[in-house]
Amino acid sequence: GESVGLHLPTLSVQEGDNSIINCAYSNSASDYFIWYKQESGKGPQFIIDIRSNMDKRQGQRVTVLLNKTVKHLSLQIAATQPGDSAVYFCAESFNQGGKLIFGQGTELSVKP
Amino acid sequence: ETGVTQTPRHLVMGMTNKKSLKCEQHLGHNAMYWYKQSAKKPLELMFVYNFKEQTENNSVPSRFSPECPNSSHLFLHLHTLQPEDSALYLCASSPVRGAATNEKLFFGSGTQLSVL
Repeated sequence: GESVGLHLPTLSVQEGDNSIINCAYSNSASDYFIWYKQESGKGPQFIIDIRSNMDKRQGQRVTVLLNKTVKHLSLQIAATQPGDSAVYFCAESFNQGGKLIFGQGTELSVKP
Repeated sequence: ETGVTQTPRHLVMGMTNKKSLKCEQHLGHNAMYWYKQSAKKPLELMFVYNFKEQTENNSVPSRFSPECPNSSHLFLHLHTLQPEDSALYLCASSPVRGAATNEKLFFGSGTQLSVL
């Protein structure tokens, strides 16, 4: 079945550096992708989403890039801060309105 | 705050107990979801309700029984659980399941369940 996976289970970055979290998906028909952030003791919190008719979308300090050719999704966080330390999940869905399929998550640690 | 409130935050129960998890959303959404989050595993969808009607049961054992009395409230009734059911149970809501423009889910903080 389709699955969404993350390349690295953990990522450690220096405060102030940029972070890149990667995600691979297997279903070329997926048309919607979303990133969530989950801090310890909290539920997942929406960060940014993108539809398959776009390659890039920017938010506040975050950018999502979609490469449909290689079925790859990435989340870039600019000037990473200690408050960015969390687990980041990507998810995909297909056939508009289909259920979200979540990846395992990448734990981001920010060193002061 | 996401507008989705779950109680209790923590629950410890024996295998013969009956307990219920509660979720309430204040976002005016019409779709509500239960997810299970186990360590080192992706989020697992359990149930979906759309306008109070259950539209998805993802092969969940009958010891988990959902209830959705209205679009703002969702319950998960637990009975004779197993230790492997210990996990974080997350409730989420979205405007409408199957909406053409938005699949964004809003999650609560979850109930951390331990089954002894």
